[in-house]
Amino acid sequence: GESVGLHLPTLSVQEGDNSIINCAYSNSASDYFIWYKQESGKGPQFIIDIRSNMDKRQGQRVTVLLNKTVKHLSLQIAATQPGDSAVYFCAEMAGNTPLVFGKGTRLSVIA
Amino acid sequence: EAQVTQNPRYLITVTGKKLTVTCSQNMNHEYMSWYRQDPGLGLRQIYYSMNVEVTDKGDVPEGYKVSRKEKRNFPLILESPSPNQTSLYFCASSFVGGGRAGEQYFGPGTRLTVT
Repeated sequence: GESVGLHLPTLSVQEGDNSIINCAYSNSASDYFIWYKQESGKGPQFIIDIRSNMDKRQGQRVTVLLNKTVKHLSLQIAATQPGDSAVYFCAEMAGNTPLVFGKGTRLSVIA
Repeated sequence: EAQVTQNPRYLITVTGKKLTVTCSQNMNHEYMSWYRQDPGLGLRQIYYSMNVEVTDKGDVPEGYKVSRKEKRNFPLILESPSPNQTSLYFCASSFVGGGRAGEQYFGPGTRLTVT
């Protein structure tokens, strides 16, 4: 597959455990945040989003937490599965300005 | 099936030979964008378009051109490719209204090598 990042932060978790992927954002004007998942050889895929008027949002097996005070975003994946192995990107948007992506975190699931 | 398609998927070319990477979406999205992805640098935006005939520069527009003559198509043009444009390129699209601009759909990527 395509190499999307040779020196990414890496998180290794045991299958069945919960994963927490963190992201620090820099623009205090950002009001919309998104998590994307990129599997090897594929384009990024939208997972979940959250607006700045919320501090938590849940999806299917995923939860996003937003702490505006410290400009921190996290993605929690419950009961991590081998299919969750991928690179995860956080992205931020301020108003109608273009999306800005973080560098990504590689999640490896150990069976 | 809702999708973003890119062609070609792989391209090896020589310095200075003009090339076009096509991008097409079938979801009636207003917004389309091109990104390049390089190891250690993440996804960087090249150009984007909010609608037909409206295009704007992203973070790394030098050496690239785009056009948006139809809503579904957003080709990326490299007039005179150079080796530093060797990269993995992604096209993406989304709706603009209803706060959905962040929910972008990405194509499968085009691996470009310029020798």
